[in-house]
Amino acid sequence: AQRVTQPEKLLSVFKGAPVELKCNYSYSGSPELFWYVQYSRQRLQLLLRHISRESIKGFTADLNKGETSFHLKKPFAQEEDSAMYYCALMGGSSNTGKLIFGQGTTLQVKP
Amino acid sequence: DAGITQSPRHKVTETGTPVTLRCHQTENHRYMYWYRQDPGHGLRLIHYSYGVKDTDKGEVSDGYSVSRSKTEDFLLTLESATSSQTSVYFCAINPQGRADEQFFGPGTRLTVL
Repeated sequence: AQRVTQPEKLLSVFKGAPVELKCNYSYSGSPELFWYVQYSRQRLQLLLRHISRESIKGFTADLNKGETSFHLKKPFAQEEDSAMYYCALMGGSSNTGKLIFGQGTTLQVKP
Repeated sequence: DAGITQSPRHKVTETGTPVTLRCHQTENHRYMYWYRQDPGHGLRLIHYSYGVKDTDKGEVSDGYSVSRSKTEDFLLTLESATSSQTSVYFCAINPQGRADEQFFGPGTRLTVL
């Protein structure tokens, strides 16, 4: 079965501390993985995707097929990073674009 | 905002009443989706559409139906609302339908009493 697991409901760190939001997936095939973010009172939006291998707002995520993980990392957290973060897997026939989301992790960055 | 709007934005209704939520897009994209967002579950796909009159079920489709008679509108109907359908509903579009970015609407908060 295709599944995405985010084990932490809440991650609370101080400003300037490193951040790692965990994401593990279950998928038989080559996965397409994404991180979406929802800031307070804003729409859910794409943060980054593994195929582009880019860094957005200082965040990076590396696909580890051996550990079936796609953890999101940032070396120095900022207060404006406080938001809900969702890891997502593109499942089924990839041309339908359907996403399977994890449960979400709330990141709280304290001053 | 990729031209996506949802209406209504908030609705309170009673158990057993029918409810229809509307998603409207201005870009004529082919793929549209309805998700529900619940604490502890994240977002779960209800139904999706890959063209006019072409729809399919998602993970949590029981109790929901959809229709797409025009490219720009994707309607989600709760035939007889139940309290378990209290949730925030998000519509999304995907311009390409492949491993591409989905753009989300602002959400509709539905409360079923």
